[in-house]
Amino acid sequence: DTTVKQNPRYKLARVGKPVNLICSQTMNHDTMYWYQKKPNQAPKLLLFYYDKILNREADTFEKFQSSRPNNSFCSLYIGSAGLEYSAMYLCASRTGGKDTQYFGPGTRLLVL
Amino acid sequence: GDSVTQTEGPVTVSESESLIINCTYSATSIAYPNLFWYVRYPGEGLQLLLKVITAGQKGSSRGFEATYNKETTSFHLQKASVQESDSAVYYCALGGGAGNTGKLIFGLGTTLQVQP
Repeated sequence: DTTVKQNPRYKLARVGKPVNLICSQTMNHDTMYWYQKKPNQAPKLLLFYYDKILNREADTFEKFQSSRPNNSFCSLYIGSAGLEYSAMYLCASRTGGKDTQYFGPGTRLLVL
Repeated sequence: GDSVTQTEGPVTVSESESLIINCTYSATSIAYPNLFWYVRYPGEGLQLLLKVITAGQKGSSRGFEATYNKETTSFHLQKASVQESDSAVYYCALGGGAGNTGKLIFGLGTTLQVQP
């Protein structure tokens, strides 16, 4: 099973409220990624976990948090949503040393 | 910096026609770029179509082909005869950065519409 699951598929949030997105995989992959995709823009890496080590991109360092309570799950947390967070959020995973990332269907977040 | 540029869509072709989606990359901080084509079919997640990690090699899948050309920094996607089921969004991506963390740098995506 090469499925990456994301919940919820759609999320409506209010400005200033927190948002928590969930990703899971059962492939025992050691690395999990979060990308942000806005209309007419390329998917952009936000952060990734290699095992228990979190790596965040420099330009989004303060905007997103993440946790990985076990190998299968990874969350993306926004402490205070702003309008600019409206986007599709893509989760992916891979096994270290392998090139192929497996993507989930994405969570579409709309902040109002 | 590192970046990917691909054909701006939408691209509309008729079934059984040939297709080429251009992709060029800039890998100023990546010593050994890996190149990928991902595809997103309607209602589904991104999935790998093909990849090539060695310059000069060709990757192929589902009738699609792409050759990693280091001289022209290109990785164009081609298919000799498209089908309606090929209608999707195609993303060219660059990987292989320091430590090979798996970070992918994507192009904007090219929407392909195949008319019956």
